[in-house]
Amino acid sequence: AQSVTQLGSHVSVSEGALVLLRCNYSSSVPPYLFWYVQYPNQGLQLLLKYTSAATLVKGINGFEAEFKKSETSFHLTKPSAHMSDAAEYFCAVSPGGTSYGKLTFGQGTILTVHP
Amino acid sequence: EAGVTQSPTHLIKTRGQQATLRCSPISGHTSVYWYQQALGLGLQFLLWYDEGEERNRGNFPPRFSGRQFPNYSSELNVNALELEDSALYLCASVSTGGGDAGYTFGSGTRLTVV
Repeated sequence: AQSVTQLGSHVSVSEGALVLLRCNYSSSVPPYLFWYVQYPNQGLQLLLKYTSAATLVKGINGFEAEFKKSETSFHLTKPSAHMSDAAEYFCAVSPGGTSYGKLTFGQGTILTVHP
Repeated sequence: EAGVTQSPTHLIKTRGQQATLRCSPISGHTSVYWYQQALGLGLQFLLWYDEGEERNRGNFPPRFSGRQFPNYSSELNVNALELEDSALYLCASVSTGGGDAGYTFGSGTRLTVV
């Protein structure tokens, strides 16, 4: 079984400040991990993914995440927030392997960026 | 390359009616996943189809059903609609090879039950 916990349903930062969104996972097999962003009334856009290659993953729009097996974490960071980063962010885990399998999501974190 | 396409964008139905939602995966993707995103309930896994077969099912009643066609497009049917079925329904297709491997989501169908 797999699960994802996103710490903090709401995160607020100032424009230009560091963005840190926390994600911890539980998986009985080596996982694949994903971060998605959702803007209002839209679908999910993939920011980045970890699929057992490099543990530091760089994604779109300046975001990156580090897979830490010992801490079962996959936190999302961005050095400098922009107003356009305001959205809801979802961390997700799948069992990986050749067929990927069911994707299990965290509850989401709403990011607010203040000018 | 076209992305995952979902139709209709919006759907309004009356309680007790049936709703049919459609999804066209990215060309070459054989797996399709359906998710429900209801207000306050997060993203809940509904169904997974691969190569025309149902591979896995989430914790939803039998009135939620679907199928996958030979061209890998998929249909989600919701019978006997209830008010709590109002949600954004998202479809994803999966590529398991190459640098683009992963799940790609469509823009969703917003179902409103009145």
